[in-house]
Amino acid sequence: GAVVSQHPSRVICKSGTSVKIECRSLDFQATTMFWYRQFPKKSLMLMATSNEGSKATYEQGVEKDKFLINHASLTLSTLTVTSAHPEDSSFYICSARDRLAGVGEQFFGPGTRLTVL
Amino acid sequence: AQSVTQPDIHITVSEGASLELRCNYSYGATPYLFWYVQSPGQGLQLLLKYFSGDTLVQGIKGFEAEFKRSQSSFNLRKPSVHWSDAAEYFCAVGARGNTGKLIFGQGTTLQVKP
Repeated sequence: GAVVSQHPSRVICKSGTSVKIECRSLDFQATTMFWYRQFPKKSLMLMATSNEGSKATYEQGVEKDKFLINHASLTLSTLTVTSAHPEDSSFYICSARDRLAGVGEQFFGPGTRLTVL
Repeated sequence: AQSVTQPDIHITVSEGASLELRCNYSYGATPYLFWYVQSPGQGLQLLLKYFSGDTLVQGIKGFEAEFKRSQSSFNLRKPSVHWSDAAEYFCAVGARGNTGKLIFGQGTTLQVKP
């Protein structure tokens, strides 16, 4: 099946620094990737939709200047948490739509645990 | 607005017992419906999906789900639970059209007793 990887799997950083998380589709081309945030014991909250070659679309309430998304190729999207603060600590998950897959189907990465000290 | 409710936050069943996880959705039309499972260190894995047609859908790992329009429900079932089924289960609804966006329920944690 389709595989999506995320790197790093976990990261610890100091408050005020920026952190970049990569999301890669390993064996398929993804025209669209999604970024989610998951709090402990909570549901996944969609943050933004990333389309290859165009600007990301952010959900209401998500700061686009805080969470920078770049989808530079059909296999790579990056999420940069800028000037991270402890409240940004969370589990970030990406997913990717195979442009050849069925409607609505997307494949999820294993997630990145971000801890901001 | 679209929403998904999973009424049971935590369920414990004995190994070999049957399982039903509840999911209710709110949507103006027939949505796309999904069940995902999340295990520690693993990405969300699709168990099954409903787009149209037969309202009883079969998935992987012996799971099935039934779409009931009159009850706005899409409950997940398995006749005999295995210890390896212990995980977090998410119901999700996707909008018609081509956005691909998914709205997730709060999740149900399944614990399996030996």
